[in-house]
Amino acid sequence: AQSVSQHNHHVILSEAASLELGCNYSYGGTVNLFWYVQYPGQHLQLLLKYFSGDPLVKGIKGFEAEFIKSKFSFNLRKPSVQWSDTAEYFCAVNGDAGNMLTFGGGTRLMVKP
Amino acid sequence: DVKVTQSSRYLVKRTGEKVFLECVQDMDHENMFWYRQDPGLGLRLIYFSYDVKMKEKGDIPEGYSVSREKKERFSLILESASTNQTSMYLCASRQRVAGGGTDTQYFGPGTRLTVL
Repeated sequence: AQSVSQHNHHVILSEAASLELGCNYSYGGTVNLFWYVQYPGQHLQLLLKYFSGDPLVKGIKGFEAEFIKSKFSFNLRKPSVQWSDTAEYFCAVNGDAGNMLTFGGGTRLMVKP
Repeated sequence: DVKVTQSSRYLVKRTGEKVFLECVQDMDHENMFWYRQDPGLGLRLIYFSYDVKMKEKGDIPEGYSVSREKKERFSLILESASTNQTSMYLCASRQRVAGGGTDTQYFGPGTRLTVL
């Protein structure tokens, strides 16, 4: 069975700080990887996804993530966060073209203005 | 834009009541999902439907059932609500990918259910 770990449960940053949120998964085969974001009071929405090709994936709002197969990781990064990035971030994995996503426990990011 | 709507944003029920949570999507997606979201646990899949009248158990199906009579509507049923089912329930839909595989899921706003 696949599993996803997000090691940071709560992160507090000041505006303009750089962000890296960790995501590790356990699955030995081919994976599809996602980052979803949930802004306060809003729907969960897709931030970015990786299926194949360039392991550095760019998403919306200046976010990017790098798939490192040897480390089973898909960390989310942003060089300079803004107050509006305050949200909860979820990493998710889908293994071997299966139908179901497995989500990590989420990371709550608070950006102080 | 894909729209996924859920019948209620907030719901309060008593232990033992039968509870229906409704989800409707307007993009003709074949696949629909029900998750529950709990702090620190992320989203956990309750049930998945890959087409009308088709369903598959997710990771935590106990205490829940589902119904998919029409393509656009996917209902989650709590036969006899219990306090440990107090949670945020999220519905999602997704286009079926030819040959299997996955693609983006689109989520509804969620229903926060409290069972007293």
